[in-house]
Amino acid sequence: GDSVTQMEGPVTLSEEAFLTINCTYTATGYPSLFWYVQYPGEGLQLLLKATKADDKGSNKGFEATYRKETTSFHLEKGSVQVSDSAVYFCALSEGFQKLVFGTGTRLLVSP
Amino acid sequence: DTEVTQTPKHLVMGMTNKKSLKCEQHMGHRAMYWYKQKAKKPPELMFVYSYEKLSINESVPSRFSPECPNSSLLNLHLHALQPEDSALYLCASSGRGDSPYQETQYFGPGTRLLVL
Repeated sequence: GDSVTQMEGPVTLSEEAFLTINCTYTATGYPSLFWYVQYPGEGLQLLLKATKADDKGSNKGFEATYRKETTSFHLEKGSVQVSDSAVYFCALSEGFQKLVFGTGTRLLVSP
Repeated sequence: DTEVTQTPKHLVMGMTNKKSLKCEQHMGHRAMYWYKQKAKKPPELMFVYSYEKLSINESVPSRFSPECPNSSLLNLHLHALQPEDSALYLCASSGRGDSPYQETQYFGPGTRLLVL
């Protein structure tokens, strides 16, 4: 079945550092890919998405590119802020009413 | 606007109580979802409603009873819960098209439930 694998956390960075959170997936078809972010004590917010190969999703300085050849959707940001501290979930959907989530990666950014 | 609202924000209940969680969206979405999220875990799908009809029940115990009174509203009725049911309950919605579940899911802020 479909699955999403994310890097283990926590990822600990200093403010203004470069961020990469790795995400790879296994799917039978051509899924849509998502990054959701969950701030402490809150629900999930859609951060960005991509619906086909080579699409780049971007939002709030975060970017991720749908790479079909490597089945990856890595999240990047050039300069993180303390306010980016949260849990980031990579997810896929093949349109069968289900989102398949990765385990989540906690990001901690210190001043 | 991509807002899904949930009430209450927090709920404490005993194992013999009956309570309900409420979810509302005004985006014209035709699919609505309930998820359960335990600490440090991803959300787990519980139920899916599509065009106000239950389309998926992920083998959820009968002490959880979903209801979709109209296309904007989704309830989750709780009865005789166990302490292990304590979790964050998230509602989501998607889709204005013919296949609403193929579109992006938008989540509410959740209800944090504690069962004593």
